[in-house]
Amino acid sequence: GQNIDQPTEMTATEGAIVQINCTYQTSGFNGLFWYQQHAGEAPTFLSYNVLDGLEEKGRFSSFLSRSKGYSYLLLKELQMKDSASYLCAVLDSNYQLIWGAGTKLIIKP
Amino acid sequence: DADVTQTPRNRITKTGKRIMLECSQTKGHDRMYWYRQDPGLGLRLIYYSFDVKDINKGEISDGYSVSRQAQAKFSLSLESAIPNQTALYFCATREGQGDTGELFFGEGSRLTVL
Repeated sequence: GQNIDQPTEMTATEGAIVQINCTYQTSGFNGLFWYQQHAGEAPTFLSYNVLDGLEEKGRFSSFLSRSKGYSYLLLKELQMKDSASYLCAVLDSNYQLIWGAGTKLIIKP
Repeated sequence: DADVTQTPRNRITKTGKRIMLECSQTKGHDRMYWYRQDPGLGLRLIYYSFDVKDINKGEISDGYSVSRQAQAKFSLSLESAIPNQTALYFCATREGQGDTGELFFGEGSRLTVL
């Protein structure tokens, strides 16, 4: 079957750096997405990777290794507003999105 | 105003009742989706539509039906609600003709079935 694994919860300190990992086993691969979801709100798009390597966008970066079935989202200079769930999703060979359960990130002062 | 609007935002209903969740969008996107989100699970696709005449089942379509009344409107119905359909429901749209564009989500409809 298809599977996306992410840690359930992580805690980090304001101003620090945190890396949220995502591993996947899917039937084919057409890209990987990261979304941010604040409690009680809609998910919002953060990044899309289809080629190996690191994509940087401000304080957020996303890395992909297709051979390892692995991605991470790196958040720098953490702010309290970064407290949210981070969802990893993979586009499979049928262009269907397979979603992970999300990682709840708690930022402490 | 939100680009993707869902109504109602919250609904409590009883087992066996018919419920409709409505979604409208002003983004001009052809592709629209209905997902449900449950604690500890990833988003799961219920139905999706690529245009007014195109309706497709997702991975968990049983117990649900949809209607694409216009490019901008996509409704989800629960014909006879049951407690395990208690969840947070999201409508989403996607730009472009391909599948790699970002999804734009509505604010969600929280449904409780007693």
